[in-house]
Amino acid sequence: GQQLNQSPQSMFIQEGEDVSMNCTSSSIFNTWLWYKQDPGEGPVLLIALYKAGELTSNGRLTAQFGITRKDSFLNISASIPSDVGIYFCAGQLVGAQKLVFGQGTRLTINP
Amino acid sequence: DADVTQTPRNRITKTGKRIMLECSQTKGHDRMYWYRQDPGLGLRLIYYSFDVKDINKGEISDGYSVSRQAQAKFSLSLESAIPNQTALYFCATSDHGTSGSRSYNEQFFGPGTRLTVL
Repeated sequence: GQQLNQSPQSMFIQEGEDVSMNCTSSSIFNTWLWYKQDPGEGPVLLIALYKAGELTSNGRLTAQFGITRKDSFLNISASIPSDVGIYFCAGQLVGAQKLVFGQGTRLTINP
Repeated sequence: DADVTQTPRNRITKTGKRIMLECSQTKGHDRMYWYRQDPGLGLRLIYYSFDVKDINKGEISDGYSVSRQAQAKFSLSLESAIPNQTALYFCATSDHGTSGSRSYNEQFFGPGTRLTVL
């Protein structure tokens, strides 16, 4: 099946640091979504992107739809303990009606 | 109240048993999905349904079946459970979208069912 390559797979940072993660593919997407999953819970939608080059913020989170339409980035500024969790990207390929998910980035924060 | 609920939240069963996982939603969405999550593999689509009369296989449908009993209900069955079906299972819903809108891409997940097959 279609693969989204999400990196890094895991991150260990200090509280207050900024975080960056990304998803890339060899195919073109017309939608990118970013989700966060807390332990024991289902993924929660953070940001949705629908246009190449689009930059959207949600509090301390900022995501961008890559200009080539093959990638997307998520940044978290000034991390806090509640940012801990697994972050997933998801994309919809052009012409498809389903989402493809990345493998996730596990974020751990040292206080 | 949660918009997407799943029952049970945890289930331990034995190889060969038939089990059913249930999903209900109050979001009024037409589209419903079942995913499986394994460590390091992200979310993989098992089955999806765009309305009550529509059922489609996802990328890993073998060993599973589904039933869309109503707009609000979508159940997943394992006819004869095997140990490699041990995983987290998530139900999700999305809107059908309107002309010019892409909101149908935004899927909303339930809290998950942790299934262990011994």
